[in-house]
Amino acid sequence: GAGVSQSPSNKVTEKGKDVELRCDPISGHTALYWYRQSLGQGLEFLIYFQGNSAPDKSGLPSDRFSAERTGGSVSTLTIQRTQQEDSAVYLCASSFMGAGGAGELFFGEGSRLTVL
Amino acid sequence: AQSVSQHNHHVILSEAASLELGCNYSYGGTVNLFWYVQYPGQHLQLLLKYFSGDPLVKGIKGFEAEFIKSKFSFNLRKPSVQWSDTAEYFCAVTARSGNTPLVFGKGTRLSVIA
Repeated sequence: GAGVSQSPSNKVTEKGKDVELRCDPISGHTALYWYRQSLGQGLEFLIYFQGNSAPDKSGLPSDRFSAERTGGSVSTLTIQRTQQEDSAVYLCASSFMGAGGAGELFFGEGSRLTVL
Repeated sequence: AQSVSQHNHHVILSEAASLELGCNYSYGGTVNLFWYVQYPGQHLQLLLKYFSGDPLVKGIKGFEAEFIKSKFSFNLRKPSVQWSDTAEYFCAVTARSGNTPLVFGKGTRLSVIA
């Protein structure tokens, strides 16, 4: 596609429910990143994929968070047993080159998650 | 691990004023540096980047940034801001070697008033 596509754009869920957030990167981009943006906290790195493998999962806040990428393309971020502190905008970005490779990151519009 | 500090949380300027947003990073090795901008209601987009060479880099919309290695700084500047520059600005760094992700600062909100 023309840009990074994320869905849903907005998700309201109840505490304790599981949610899945989807990211469709720019075609041909090998690297894919998930960040979390909270008010006043900037962008918090969650996980990074090069192809289908994740060399760096260091940013995942807890074992309730997981992510996968299939076919070197679409990625899904799953949050199990959501908590109110999970409320944030989840941003996906893709790049042609991997981390450190100086590739520009192209961001999606984000998925706004609200946990009640 | 790298980290980024942006000194100003919120900056308010009148149109035509000059802008300088501070950014300092912490990392001992060679880095690539970026400034991203997020206009209201829009996604993050690249403003400018530094990889190597001339430490003064020019980006879109009249923005520039200077890499001062001795100060671990990469401050963003614009001689004369416009109302349309109202946005949130993020400084980011990544180590040049190895598979390290882009690390962002907390951002600086710029409000330009007429």
